Amino acid sequence: QVQLKESGPGLVQPSQTLSLTCTVSGFSLTSYNVHWIRQPPGKGLEWMGRMRYNGDTSYNSPLKSRLSISRDTSKNQVFLKMNSLQTDDTGTYYCTRDVSGSGWFVYWGQGTLVTVSS
Amino acid sequence: DTVLIQSPALAVSPGERVSISCRASEGVNSYMHWYQQKPGQQPKLLIYKASNLASGVPARFSGSGSGTDFTLTIDPVEADDTATYFCQQSWNDPRTFGGGTKLELK
Repeated sequence: QVQLKESGPGLVQPSQTLSLTCTVSGFSLTSYNVHWIRQPPGKGLEWMGRMRYNGDTSYNSPLKSRLSISRDTSKNQVFLKMNSLQTDDTGTYYCTRDVSGSGWFVYWGQGTLVTVSS
Repeated sequence: DTVLIQSPALAVSPGERVSISCRASEGVNSYMHWYQQKPGQQPKLLIYKASNLASGVPARFSGSGSGTDFTLTIDPVEADDTATYFCQQSWNDPRTFGGGTKLELK
């Protein structure tokens, strides 16, 4: 079955770089898009960016200068790197998969909580 | 970006019918989707493309609307439906979410 699982450090210092990994199973990264979505504590959801099945990426404009998404298809992993972290980057980070570029997210990882604090 | 506006909270009694609205700042055709999120859990897709029930979702949930105004209806509401409900559009880039409606049961 389709599964996604996020991993990474729970605590990041301000101004440092966040590195997260999404490990997927049950599907191929060369067939489906994987997205990153985040959620500050007690708040709404923000789409961050996506790795398309063909290797192309796209990012939400406010994050574009700080964000990079890449992948290793041999390891079934998608990576998120975001630099210059601030306290308002604190939140739960999810990786998700849509249905053939449909635009809605059927499959979600459990999420990983990232706290930005010194 | 397309802004999606939802009422912050609703309170209903079990067995009643509840409608949760989502208004878009610009047209999104029928590309509006609904999610349920319980505390400490990831969102769960309920409705896609305005009115299509996602796999495994009870028929008590339904969706309607097109253009800029959309509604998620739960009828009848059950105690387990206590959660926050988010709308999300995928017609315009970037994909955006509403602020969420917290549903509480009386």
